[in-house]
Amino acid sequence: GAGVSQSPRYKVAKRGQDVALRCDPISGHVSLFWYQQALGQGPEFLTYFQNEAQLDKSGLPSDRFFAERPEGSVSTLKIQRTQQEDSAVYLCASSLQTGGRETQYFGPGTRLLVL
Amino acid sequence: DAKTTQPTSMDCAEGRAANLPCNHSTISGNEYVYWYRQIHSQGPQYIIHGLKNNETNEMASLIITEDRKSSTLILPHATLRDTAVYYCIVRVALGGSNYKLTFGKGTLLTVNP
Repeated sequence: GAGVSQSPRYKVAKRGQDVALRCDPISGHVSLFWYQQALGQGPEFLTYFQNEAQLDKSGLPSDRFFAERPEGSVSTLKIQRTQQEDSAVYLCASSLQTGGRETQYFGPGTRLLVL
Repeated sequence: DAKTTQPTSMDCAEGRAANLPCNHSTISGNEYVYWYRQIHSQGPQYIIHGLKNNETNEMASLIITEDRKSSTLILPHATLRDTAVYYCIVRVALGGSNYKLTFGKGTLLTVNP
């Protein structure tokens, strides 16, 4: 069945450039999560949505990071004025959310390299 | 946040059982233990989760000690494709019925032919 998909899979940006990363969750999944994974580290939580509402953005590293999910399905993570320290894999996950079905299913990630 | 401790790496022979330990001595009574794995260049893959009873599915078994301070993930017949980083996670409530996953560095399991 269709899982979580992310695009692009790879992105190379020049420092200072803006980038937009897309996540298509599993159809019908209410909750959507973004994580950042630096090289050699485990993923770290960035933010999460329940439908179109962004309920927690405590993990966003700076105000250059912005996420949206306007219609409660597809989500976009935008990074403005990229810096070299933003180089990482950005992972999206979704879950059905309710009634004990909170298991998060991850996409393949977008590997961002900022030069 | 409840913290987990895992060995950095482990080896296992193909066809044998792989037993991956995890300590979570500060876990609270209502916190679940989740296991994910990440094969190189892929997103994390859900394996199994549990609260206090042992659990089994088509991928693995999860054994949780009675005091819940530690658990063991068992892959009954490891194959080369099971080579991955295995993460033991105690999920953290975000409010409502949602949770974030706090990953550590995990255990790199290498299955050898």
